[in-house]
Amino acid sequence: SQQGEEDPQALSIQEGENATMNCSYKTSINNLQWYRQNSGRGLVHLILIRSNEREKHSGRLRVTLDTSKESSSLLITASRAADTASYFCATDGASGSRLTFGEGTQLTVNP
Amino acid sequence: DVKVTQSSRYLVKRTGEKVFLECVQDMDHENMFWYRQDPGLGLRLIYFSYDVKMKEKGDIPEGYSVSREKKERFSLILESASTNQTSMYLCASRGHALAKNIQYFGAGTRLSVL
Repeated sequence: SQQGEEDPQALSIQEGENATMNCSYKTSINNLQWYRQNSGRGLVHLILIRSNEREKHSGRLRVTLDTSKESSSLLITASRAADTASYFCATDGASGSRLTFGEGTQLTVNP
Repeated sequence: DVKVTQSSRYLVKRTGEKVFLECVQDMDHENMFWYRQDPGLGLRLIYFSYDVKMKEKGDIPEGYSVSREKKERFSLILESASTNQTSMYLCASRGHALAKNIQYFGAGTRLSVL
């Protein structure tokens, strides 16, 4: 079964810097999504990229997808303290409704 | 905005108790999901439902059951709670397939079984 794995597990940066998180997965996918989770809360959808897309932007977020390497990256530019959270990638495949989540990257942005 | 509401943020139960975790969504979504989240293991799917009275096992259904009598409500039941079921439980919903498979999550229920 496909499995998302984020890298690094934890990332600590200063406000204003860029943060890059990576996700690797196995098997073919229809879409790849990134979610954010504030401490002790539920997940919130950030951005979705389809398997036939290579890059997508949303505000300060930039997602890339390389299906040949079965990997994706999430870039947060000009980070803010409020970006401190855990970030998860999630993939879906031929089965459709189910998502498979990675273990997440804990991002800390220091003011 | 989609709202997914989980009935409790924190629960403390004793081993052997029957535990009900409730989840309600207000967007008429067909699909609903229950996950548990544990450090180092990410989110694992327990059960999901794609319609009223329909349910499908996820990756870790043992020790759990579910009920979906109404479209907006999806309940997770721990028949006899055990300490290894101490975890964060997350409910999610998703609309029709045309909704791009984006899931909307509740705030979570942190369950402690003593």
